[in-house]
Amino acid sequence: AQSVAQPEDQVNVAEGNPLTVKCTYSVSGNPYLFWYVQYPNRGLQFLLKYITGDNLVKGSYGFEAEFNKSQTSFHLKKPSALVSDSALYFCAVRDRAGTYKYIFGTGTRLKVLA
Amino acid sequence: GAGVSQTPSNKVTEKGKYVELRCDPISGHTALYWYRQSLGQGPEFLIYFQGTGAADDSGLPNDRFFAVRPEGSVSTLKIQRTERGDSAVYLCASSLNSGDTQYFGPGTRLTVL
Repeated sequence: AQSVAQPEDQVNVAEGNPLTVKCTYSVSGNPYLFWYVQYPNRGLQFLLKYITGDNLVKGSYGFEAEFNKSQTSFHLKKPSALVSDSALYFCAVRDRAGTYKYIFGTGTRLKVLA
Repeated sequence: GAGVSQTPSNKVTEKGKYVELRCDPISGHTALYWYRQSLGQGPEFLIYFQGTGAADDSGLPNDRFFAVRPEGSVSTLKIQRTERGDSAVYLCASSLNSGDTQYFGPGTRLTVL
């Protein structure tokens, strides 16, 4: 069965420092991996995805994520955090050989402190 | 262009009542998905349409939940005999084709009293 784990409920980081939001996954085959961000009273916004190819994926707003097959991880990163990055972040996985539904993690609240 | 829209944005109903939630996908998107998000949780898959047909309804919790997409565009999620446990934000997403990136609407917050 597919599953996604986001081990941290909340991550605090100072503005200007690098940030990492962790995600690990489990699928039976090869995964498609996604990151979404959710701002208060707004819908989920797509940030980036890994389908195939280069393990380092670059996305919107300066975010990037690294696919690590041996560690089954897809951590979200940004070199320099902004206060406006404060939001709820969700990792999602789809089994490439399965149906088209996404399995989401429970979310990580990122708080960037000025 | 216009994104996915959902109406109403908020719905308050009483236990036992029937509700309908509407989703307007991005124009031209053939695939449409419904998810449910409870407080403190990630979205949970309910059902997926490819065109007019439900290709995967494995996430519907029971037979009180039903969804339609009669013309392959707008979709309606229908909940009969609502229960307090149905209270959640119901999210709709669409993608150009099955397997493409899903784009989400703002959700409908359902509260069952």
